[in-house]
Amino acid sequence: GQNIDQPTEMTATEGAIVQINCTYQTSGFNGLFWYQQHAGEAPTFLSYNVLDGLEEKGRFSSFLSRSKGYSYLLLKELQMKDSASYLCAVIARPAGNKLTFGGGTRVLVKP
Amino acid sequence: DVKVTQSSRYLVKRTGEKVFLECVQDMDHENMFWYRQDPGLGLRLIYFSYDVKMKEKGDIPEGYSVSREKKERFSLILESASTNQTSMYLCASSGRDANSYEQYFGPGTRLTVT
Repeated sequence: GQNIDQPTEMTATEGAIVQINCTYQTSGFNGLFWYQQHAGEAPTFLSYNVLDGLEEKGRFSSFLSRSKGYSYLLLKELQMKDSASYLCAVIARPAGNKLTFGGGTRVLVKP
Repeated sequence: DVKVTQSSRYLVKRTGEKVFLECVQDMDHENMFWYRQDPGLGLRLIYFSYDVKMKEKGDIPEGYSVSREKKERFSLILESASTNQTSMYLCASSGRDANSYEQYFGPGTRLTVT
């Protein structure tokens, strides 16, 4: 089976930086996703990492270390609209295109 | 843009009723998924389908069944609804290739069983 852990909740100030960690245990690792989900809405894709290293996309960056079973999502220059849940999900062989999600991290941005 | 639509945003049903949740995607995706999302438990996979008429159990299939008669449509069926099936149900679709693993989600159906 797969085990994915991420913190339940984080609070940060507008303009600051927040790092959301995700650790996973899985065999046949084939990539890690980060999704953003605002309250009452569907999850939307943020990033996909399959190789080690940092991928940067504007204010959001995602890092992966396959040897450590570890990823983080970095949110810079926080804005109020970044208040949302952030979901870490792993895809693994031979599960095909199945994603296994962590419980999600609720981020609250305060003025 | 990929569009995944679900038949209802909100649904209230009685215990014992048969419930159908419909999902349609317009991107010719091979894979379709049904999840439920509950506070503190995250997204859990109920069933998925990787082709027409094909289905596979996810992590929590008990009490549910699915139907995929056409590529664009994936239905979730609650044979006899129970109060513990009150939840947010999310449908998603994705392509089959390694460069299309990203799943696109529908807006969700919040089901209340009384």
